[in-house]
Amino acid sequence: DQQVKQNSPSLSVQEGRISILNCDYTNSMFDYFLWYKKYPAEGPTFLISISSIKDKNEDGRFTVFLNKSAKHLSLHIVPSQPGDSAVYFCAASVRTSGSRLTFGEGTQLTVNP
Amino acid sequence: EPEVTQTPSHQVTQMGQEVILRCVPISNHLYFYWYRQILGQKVEFLVSFYNNEISEKSEIFDDQFSVERPDGSNFTLKIRSTKLEDSAMYFCASRTGPSGEQFFGPGTRLTVL
Repeated sequence: DQQVKQNSPSLSVQEGRISILNCDYTNSMFDYFLWYKKYPAEGPTFLISISSIKDKNEDGRFTVFLNKSAKHLSLHIVPSQPGDSAVYFCAASVRTSGSRLTFGEGTQLTVNP
Repeated sequence: EPEVTQTPSHQVTQMGQEVILRCVPISNHLYFYWYRQILGQKVEFLVSFYNNEISEKSEIFDDQFSVERPDGSNFTLKIRSTKLEDSAMYFCASRTGPSGEQFFGPGTRLTVL
């Protein structure tokens, strides 16, 4: 199932700098996108979401950008903190269709002090 | 803050045995989900449940799987005759309405020997 893809398995940034995590999707029916963060031995924790009618949503240090024409979304974390080190999953759903989430592979973010 | 809980955290079973994984969703949530993540693979949707019936299931969710909400709080996933390939982390999730973010539990690690 390649409908949601995160091409970077890992990303390393310095504390205080910007982290940019990317996600691509192929299913044009997707109309709701989410980012989750996951620590080892825990379940995914919801971070931020965006509806397809928007191109940006911001919540504190986290901003998600959606480019529908490119079928691409990104998560920006500014400034990055060591506590942000985790696996970040992009997920997508079709809200009229039961809203099952389709996940990407995840990107391991490491923020170095 | 309310959270989704899952028990047990780790279940070891022999191939062919039945297992029941338990979840307590957040109390005012109406939509319930099971996902799994095989080691090294994506988080995959199994089934969604609303109003005491399955609303959607994936191709993974075959006759060996069943879900139940036996009372007002628990939501269970039963695997009738486990196979080696059922070894995975199983995550329960819930949410209030038909759209919006899903809240995940910490997961049950199922090991089939």
